[in-house]
Amino acid sequence: GAGVSQTPSNKVTEKGKYVELRCDPISGHTALYWYRQSLGQGPEFLIYFQGTGAADDSGLPNDRFFAVRPEGSVSTLKIQRTERGDSAVYLCASSLSGGSNYGYTFGSGTRLTVV
Amino acid sequence: GESVGLHLPTLSVQEGDNSIINCAYSNSASDYFIWYKQESGKGPQFIIDIRSNMDKRQGQRVTVLLNKTVKHLSLQIAATQPGDSAVYFCAENQASGGSYIPTFGRGTSLIVHP
Repeated sequence: GAGVSQTPSNKVTEKGKYVELRCDPISGHTALYWYRQSLGQGPEFLIYFQGTGAADDSGLPNDRFFAVRPEGSVSTLKIQRTERGDSAVYLCASSLSGGSNYGYTFGSGTRLTVV
Repeated sequence: GESVGLHLPTLSVQEGDNSIINCAYSNSASDYFIWYKQESGKGPQFIIDIRSNMDKRQGQRVTVLLNKTVKHLSLQIAATQPGDSAVYFCAENQASGGSYIPTFGRGTSLIVHP
């Protein structure tokens, strides 16, 4: 597609439930990034994929968070046993390559609210 | 004026004025920097970038200055318009195993008064 698409745009879930957030990057972009943004803060890095593999998952806060990108395009961020502190906007970005010569395009994010 | 506190730093300007938004970055090894604009309910939108071998780069109505000595970036917006009202973030690319991860600063809220 023309841009990075994230679905759903809003998700409300109960504490303890499992959620999946989807990111559809720009076609042909091999690098994909997940960020989390809390109110009044800048985006915080979670995980980076180069192709199908997670090249850097150092930003995942704990083992309740997991992400996959099985075919090197669409990625899914999975959160188990959600907690109220997980409430945030989850942003996805893609770029042609993971190198520093290419810009990054962000989606509009998924606003997750854990009640 | 500009204020820093528990809330997002805010810069209020009148329409037509020039705006300067500042950012300090953390890693002296970072070699690529990007300014983003984020409007409410949207993802960050690329404005302008600069590489570490430059100290100034100009775009349409925007200029980015880089001072590597003090690890400081600034974004200058000429003739600020109400549509420029948004939160502005600087991001530095930090190396991670041969690739680069954009790392964001906290952001500055720009409010443009008509």
